[in-house]
Amino acid sequence: QVQLVESGGGLVKPGGSLRLSCKASGFTFSDYDMSWIRQAPGKGLEWLSKISFSSTTIYYADSVKGRFTISRDNAKNSLYLEMSNLRPEDTAVYSCAADYDRDYFDFWGQGTLVTVAS
Amino acid sequence: SYVLTQPPSVSVAPGQTARITCMEDNIGSKSVHWYQQKLGQAPVLVVHDDSDRPSGISERFSGANSGNTATLTITRVEAGDEADYFCQLWETTSDHHVFGTGTKVTVL
Repeated sequence: QVQLVESGGGLVKPGGSLRLSCKASGFTFSDYDMSWIRQAPGKGLEWLSKISFSSTTIYYADSVKGRFTISRDNAKNSLYLEMSNLRPEDTAVYSCAADYDRDYFDFWGQGTLVTVAS
Repeated sequence: SYVLTQPPSVSVAPGQTARITCMEDNIGSKSVHWYQQKLGQAPVLVVHDDSDRPSGISERFSGANSGNTATLTITRVEAGDEADYFCQLWETTSDHHVFGTGTKVTVL
């Protein structure tokens, strides 16, 4: 069955860096655009970044532009999010989601928790 | 970035109808999608492109979108429908996905 499994979350100090991964299975990963989405404790969903199936097109939310970098490796069925200069307000559950070049998400992962605190 | 406005909570008795709104100026000109997220689980798409249901989603879930309001309707509500629901669209002017604030549906 379709699975998206995030990893790499943890506790990091303000100003620190972290790399998140999302491993896909059960569907043709290389056919899908991928996004990262986060949900802070008690807050709503916030879309962060999207990368096209071939990595040719990338979009970022203003809140993370210049600090976060999205990438993918289709040979490894994996999506990544490099996060730098982390702030306490970046504390959230980070999830990956897939869309088949459409405006909505066909599949989601359950997320990995990132905590930014000293 | 902006968010779409949803009521924080909706309570409904079993067998009744729940309606969840998603509001934004002129949202009727955009395609709106809806997700269900049960506690501890990944979100699941229940309606896409305003009113289309993915395969496997109960016909009790339906959507509409006009003017400044998109609506997800759940008819004959069951205990298993208790979850958070949120709307979403792709904003073409900024090339961003935008989410609603989320609505917790409680089955009484």
